[in-house]
Amino acid sequence: DGGITQSPKYLFRKEGQNVTLSCEQNLNHDAMYWYRQDPGQGLRLIYYSQIVNDFQKGDIAEGYSVSREKKESFPLTVTSAQKNPTAFYLCASSFRQGPNTEAFFGQGTRLTVV
Amino acid sequence: AQSVTQLGSHVSVSEGALVLLRCNYSSSVPPYLFWYVQYPNQGLQLLLKYTSAATLVKGINGFEAEFKKSETSFHLTKPSAHMSDAAEYFCAVSLTGTASKLTFGTGTRLQVTL
Repeated sequence: DGGITQSPKYLFRKEGQNVTLSCEQNLNHDAMYWYRQDPGQGLRLIYYSQIVNDFQKGDIAEGYSVSREKKESFPLTVTSAQKNPTAFYLCASSFRQGPNTEAFFGQGTRLTVV
Repeated sequence: AQSVTQLGSHVSVSEGALVLLRCNYSSSVPPYLFWYVQYPNQGLQLLLKYTSAATLVKGINGFEAEFKKSETSFHLTKPSAHMSDAAEYFCAVSLTGTASKLTFGTGTRLQVTL
């Protein structure tokens, strides 16, 4: 079945440590995105990538980094510079252009800093 | 820039009653509009989308929404609520139809009671 896979589902991190969240898709989508979700704030865009080897900052990129070496994969690293990393992280993908460019989401990773 | 306002962070209805979740948008150009549903600790699933075709859009699970330009609204409705509809619902707007430009509302949690 086609879809987006995020792993792990739950992640615990000690303060000061970097951690990488995985996102893989087999939908043949060009574009991939990372969102952060906090209670009562909707979703906020962290980074996005329209094509391989290229990505752009979203609205809240500080303290995060990404790479896009393969079309199917878009890992997100939460660095120690991120002041409040505890949140629910959602990866999404879409076609880059055409009539069907809506985002499809993974099941999310809940990150907790302990 | 575009924005979305969802009126009511919590809505409670009885099983079998009408569901009405409100969404108003602001944009300088004709928008693409989306409704997504999120069940606890899961990703977002697309319910329906408006992309400048028919103003009444039918989606999955019996939901529909009507685009009203004069009222800048895109309210989500369902004639008869079911217990399985209990979830959080997000309205989103995009000026370009791409997920990198999606702006989400803060969400409405729907509770369905017996």
